Amino acid sequence: DIQMTQSPSTLSASVGDRVTITCRASQSVSVYLAWYQQKPGRAPKLLVYGASTLQSGVSSRFSGSGSGTEFTLTISSLQPDDFATYFCQQYDGYPPWTFGQGTNVEIK
Amino acid sequence: QVQLVESGGGVVQPGTSLRLSCVGSGFSLSNSGMHWVRQAPGKGLEWVAVFSYDGSNKFYAHSVRGRFTVSRDISNNTFYLQMNSLRPDDTAIYYCAKDRFRPYFDSWGQGTLVAVSS
Repeated sequence: DIQMTQSPSTLSASVGDRVTITCRASQSVSVYLAWYQQKPGRAPKLLVYGASTLQSGVSSRFSGSGSGTEFTLTISSLQPDDFATYFCQQYDGYPPWTFGQGTNVEIK
Repeated sequence: QVQLVESGGGVVQPGTSLRLSCVGSGFSLSNSGMHWVRQAPGKGLEWVAVFSYDGSNKFYAHSVRGRFTVSRDISNNTFYLQMNSLRPDDTAIYYCAKDRFRPYFDSWGQGTLVAVSS
C-alpha cells in the first residue's frame, strides 16, 4: 500500500500568514493527489484534485502543486475560516487509496 | 445540488452486524463510483470500500475484506454497507462519498457513527 506522510502534524499561524503543508508519498502517484479540509464535527470538503486543480467554489487563496512523491498545499493569506485540519489523499491505480494523517492548522 | 444522507449507525456488540444506508439526490448512482470512508474518534480518514459506477467492481480495504459488503439500489438511488463480524476497532464515523471519474471524493454525506462495544 502507498503510505502518505504529511508535515507538519500541527501548524500554528496567524491570520494573513502564508501557510504551506507538505504531503509525501512512499512511491510515485503521478498527479493523482487530492486535498481536503475538515472542520470539527463536519465531513471533509474537497479543495484540490489532480494535485493542482482547484475544486469549483473553493477560494483562490488555496493552491496545490507537485507530482510524483512530493506535494504541497498553500494558503496564500490565512483567513479565520481556514483554521481546520487538512488531509491529502492519493488515488493512483488500484485501491487501497490512502490518506495522510492530517495537518491541524491552529490559531497562533 | 448533490446531497448524500447516511443512516443506520448505532451502538452494537462485537461480533454483530449492521447495515448502513446512503441516499443520494441530485445525481444518479449509475453515473458515479460510490465509496465508504471512515474516521475513528480523533483519528484520520480511512478509505473502506468502493462500488464502481457501472457495478463491475467492488473493492475493500484490507481491514474489512471478508466482513463488509457494498451494494446499491439504483431505483432508490441508495448505497449500502453491510458490516458483519464487527470489532471494536471498527468504531468510527462512516461517511459515504461519491467520486468524479477518478477515486477522489467531491461530495460527502454528514456521516453516521458506529460504535462497537461490549
